[in-house]
Amino acid sequence: KNEVEQSPQNLTAQEGEFITINCSYSVGISALHWLQQHPGGGIVSLFMLSSGKKKHGRLIATINIQEKHSSLHITASHPRDSAVYICAVISGGSNYKLTFGKGTLLTVNP
Amino acid sequence: DTEVTQTPKHLVMGMTNKKSLKCEQHMGHRAMYWYKQKAKKPPELMFVYSYEKLSINESVPSRFSPECPNSSLLNLHLHALQPEDSALYLCASRQIGQGSYEQYFGPGTRLTVT
Repeated sequence: KNEVEQSPQNLTAQEGEFITINCSYSVGISALHWLQQHPGGGIVSLFMLSSGKKKHGRLIATINIQEKHSSLHITASHPRDSAVYICAVISGGSNYKLTFGKGTLLTVNP
Repeated sequence: DTEVTQTPKHLVMGMTNKKSLKCEQHMGHRAMYWYKQKAKKPPELMFVYSYEKLSINESVPSRFSPECPNSSLLNLHLHALQPEDSALYLCASRQIGQGSYEQYFGPGTRLTVT
């Protein structure tokens, strides 16, 4: 069974700061999701990664398959980025079940 | 259309009621998922349908009954629920095919059992 660890669990930042959230996993994977969930809201997929790096606006996600580690970076953070960020890995097999990390609660203060 | 829709957004039901949650997608995805999410916890997988057939049941109590009447629609029938079943119920879908890993989530139905 894949163990997914996220750090930090909670993160408070000032508007404009550069944010990094980390995710590590124990077993080789097929792909990794970064997900965003605003309080009381549904889940939005930010990135799906199998290798390398992806960028979307102020968000950047990287993955190192050899080290079993991924990072999510937010540049020029904004209060609207306040949300829970969840790392979820797909270990292949039938139906590509997701194994979720416990999430990182990000609060960006103005 | 890259959207998964869920209805209703909120549902309050008594322990003797029967209700249904609905999930719909028009992206041609042939895998559909039900998740349950308690507050401040990650989602827990309940059921997976592939090509409209149930392929995974994560030992979910029989008071939850899933149904996939066609490739666009997924229902979750609820009967005789307990207060501890109160949670956010999320639906997701995914294309089936080599390398098609990404799941698209709906906004969820927030269920309260009284």
